[in-house]
This record gives sequence, C-alpha cells and structure tokens, in this order.
Amino acid sequence: DQQVKQNSPSLSVQEGRISILNCDYTNSMFDYFLWYKKYPAEGPTFLISISSIKDKNEDGRFTVFLNKSAKHLSLHIVPSQPGDSAVYFCAASAVSTNAGKSTFGDGTTLTVKP
Amino acid sequence: ETGVTQTPRHLVMGMTNKKSLKCEQHLGHNAMYWYKQSAKKPLELMFVYNFKEQTENNSVPSRFSPECPNSSHLFLHLHTLQPEDSALYLCASSQSGLAGANTGELFFGEGSRLTVL
Repeated sequence: DQQVKQNSPSLSVQEGRISILNCDYTNSMFDYFLWYKKYPAEGPTFLISISSIKDKNEDGRFTVFLNKSAKHLSLHIVPSQPGDSAVYFCAASAVSTNAGKSTFGDGTTLTVKP
Repeated sequence: ETGVTQTPRHLVMGMTNKKSLKCEQHLGHNAMYWYKQSAKKPLELMFVYNFKEQTENNSVPSRFSPECPNSSHLFLHLHTLQPEDSALYLCASSQSGLAGANTGELFFGEGSRLTVL
C-alpha cells in the first residue's frame, strides 16, 4: 500500500498563473512533509517543507498547505515560471521516530508554458 | 567540491559482473542513504546509515551490499544483479540529530544510472 500518493502524474499551466500540486498520505505517524523538485539528469533538490504543527508555510513564490484531518497537502507556485518546469515529489517522514527517513510519492511533472 | 557527488553517473553491467557505486558528501552530515528510482515508481529507500552504522535495510536483496567506511563516504556493491535492478540509484545525506532536532531534508546526488544486461 503506497503511503504517499500524488494522483496527478502531470500538470500544465500558463506562465504567470498558479500551479497547484497535490499530495495525499495515509500514515498518521507522518509529522513532517517536504517537497522536492527534480530536473532531468539531476538529483532531487529540496524545495519547501512543513511540520504537522503548522498548516501553512511560505517561501517566496512557493507555499505549502497542510490539512491534517484530510491527510492532504498541496504546493502552490505563484506566479509560475517556465523554469519551474520539473518533476515535483512530495515526501513524508516521521521525524520523531526516524529523522531523515522519507517516503516519497510518484511525482508530478509540471510544465509551465511561456 | 560541494554537495553530494556520485560516481559513476552511468554504469552498464552484465548479470555476472561485480561493480560498485560510490557516493561522497561534503556537507558535514552524519546520515547517508541509498534510494532507488525505477521507471514509473516512487523513490524507494534502500539503506540508511547514521554515524556510519546501518540503521535501516528496507528488505533489500543481498545482491546489493552497502558499505559506509566513514560519515562522508557510502558505497553500494553490486553483484549478480538482475535486469529488473536497472534503475537510477540516488545517494543522499542529511544531518541526523536527536528526535525532533532534524528537519529530514535530504541532499541528493545526481544519481547513478544502472543498466543490467
């Protein structure tokens, strides 16, 4: 059973508009959530994270929202730029039990059109 | 050099070969990881090392043998692999501390693309 799911394999948006990437999880032990971005032929790079004690974290154009009751988080990118085109992975960890160990979703390929 | 470096970037091997993947981190972290990314599958955690000690083996077949001689280096020794082991193998590091003192952010290398013939 996959514990972290990104149900949209791909997303296409126009430059300047908002991109919303979604992620669902099933394990209630997860208390820390991260988003990574991956360009082709590169390893994933950390983008933004959120602890379960918060419901929102913002960093520039990137905002992550967490809905614990729904076990759902989303990444908002606004305004979207062509350079944001990449694969975005949602990840979750139980920091209190095994810090650093993360379970990843399948990824969503974002394409931002000029 | 900075960050996490993996070599080789590409490797083709037969099922009877023995090869090794190498990872080096220059971030002063004390935890290192091997992840596997197969086509159309999520990243799968394989091994975790904290302070050079293996703390996680995620039911990985014995044909994959990790080695962590120090906090900066991590190897993945490969022998008698199968074609289905062809994948991108990603090394990562993080700063592992006391419970609650680690954000869990992973720093990844660029990966080693393995093809088993």
